[in-house]
Amino acid sequence: DAKTTQPPSMDCAEGRAANLPCNHSTISGNEYVYWYRQIHSQGPQYIIHGLKNNETNEMASLIITEDRKSSTLILPHATLRDTAVYYCIVRVFERQGGKLIFGQGTELSVKP
Amino acid sequence: DTEVTQTPKHLVMGMTNKKSLKCEQHMGHRAMYWYKQKAKKPPELMFVYSYEKLSINESVPSRFSPECPNSSLLNLHLHALQPEDSALYLCASRADREEGYTFGSGTRLTVV
Repeated sequence: DAKTTQPPSMDCAEGRAANLPCNHSTISGNEYVYWYRQIHSQGPQYIIHGLKNNETNEMASLIITEDRKSSTLILPHATLRDTAVYYCIVRVFERQGGKLIFGQGTELSVKP
Repeated sequence: DTEVTQTPKHLVMGMTNKKSLKCEQHMGHRAMYWYKQKAKKPPELMFVYSYEKLSINESVPSRFSPECPNSSLLNLHLHALQPEDSALYLCASRADREEGYTFGSGTRLTVV
């Protein structure tokens, strides 16, 4: 799996958009970008994933650059409950199990 | 049912004890995973089961023994653990397509 690089920590004001960057310069053409978050001592929670196109769901938007070497997760109106560690992961889609390998993640603090 | 259920939530065991962690899902997912997470670190993959067969063992010591009795259940048998094995043990499952993994809330294990 391709490696990802994320800033170790970020702050965001409540109600503002949180933009979390991720570099994945060695990504291959068939590797997907996944985002998960983990609130303290809970299991990781799936947020969103994409291959080439930008994606949006009820939680967030994922913007992938045209060369696919980086992406940004956008939380449009951050709340205090969005304080968590956010993991950007790239992986190959495989029918037989496959691996989801976590990087170091970004610790996002949403402040009042 | 869209959850992965892990029991127990907390476990304290001695170094000579034998115990088991249990993970259950009723989403029809055919890939199931065990992860280990130490404090302030990302989850580390331990084992992958695909269609009830062990497909990946990430060089985990034999004192950890996984078992998949059926497509809904995943166990992790523990024997002769060390204090450094104290961690949050996470179970996850995935449908046979490129969607996200669903994680349980984990078992907090303390070895004394």
